Amino acid sequence: TQLLEQSPQFLSIQEGENLTVYCNSSSVFSSLQWYRQEPGEGPVLLVTVVTGGEVKKLKRLTFQFGDARKDSSLHITAAQPGDTGLYLCAGAKAAGNKLTFGGGTRVLVKP
Amino acid sequence: SAVISQKPSRDICQRGTSLTIQCQVDSQVTMMFWYRQQPGQSLTLIATANQGSEATYESGFVIDKFPISRPNLTFSTLTVSNMSPEDSSIYLCSVGQQETQYFGPGTRLLVL
Repeated sequence: TQLLEQSPQFLSIQEGENLTVYCNSSSVFSSLQWYRQEPGEGPVLLVTVVTGGEVKKLKRLTFQFGDARKDSSLHITAAQPGDTGLYLCAGAKAAGNKLTFGGGTRVLVKP
Repeated sequence: SAVISQKPSRDICQRGTSLTIQCQVDSQVTMMFWYRQQPGQSLTLIATANQGSEATYESGFVIDKFPISRPNLTFSTLTVSNMSPEDSSIYLCSVGQQETQYFGPGTRLLVL
């Protein structure tokens, strides 16, 4: 059983549509990170959220950290083919501590 | 953020042999980690590479199979020993800075 549950596992949408990826846990995290990984590359950090209830926006991407710091969501508005990739959430129990990763969500945005 | 490089970027190895993967960071960092990503899967932490002392291994990973060195604050190696096809994976190093971890590009390993 994974400590961090990501859903859905796979998402295929048309360009211009919106999508939301969820990351849920029964544990409290000090911080939560979202990464995007493309084939043949390492995960690239998108955002770190540390405060319960925090909302961060990165262009068309909106990240939310739950009030209790147990869950998070990533929302992409008007998805583009360049958003295609594996999205990973990862939580840390303390600053500088090891990360626990969710199972990942594969997103395919078709032109 | 730190710039992280890994060598080799990929390799094809015969079963029973060993491969050492290098991770170089462009600045001194306290925390360095090694992860494995099996085909189509998410990342699993192998161990925390501690400078000047033995690495801290996660459940399911042992030093004899995955020896790790951390001679200084900018460099670490991971060896995959006595390889079998089940070791075919992407191996990634990462560094921790404050609340965040940054990843290297990974080493793709195929064991025949």
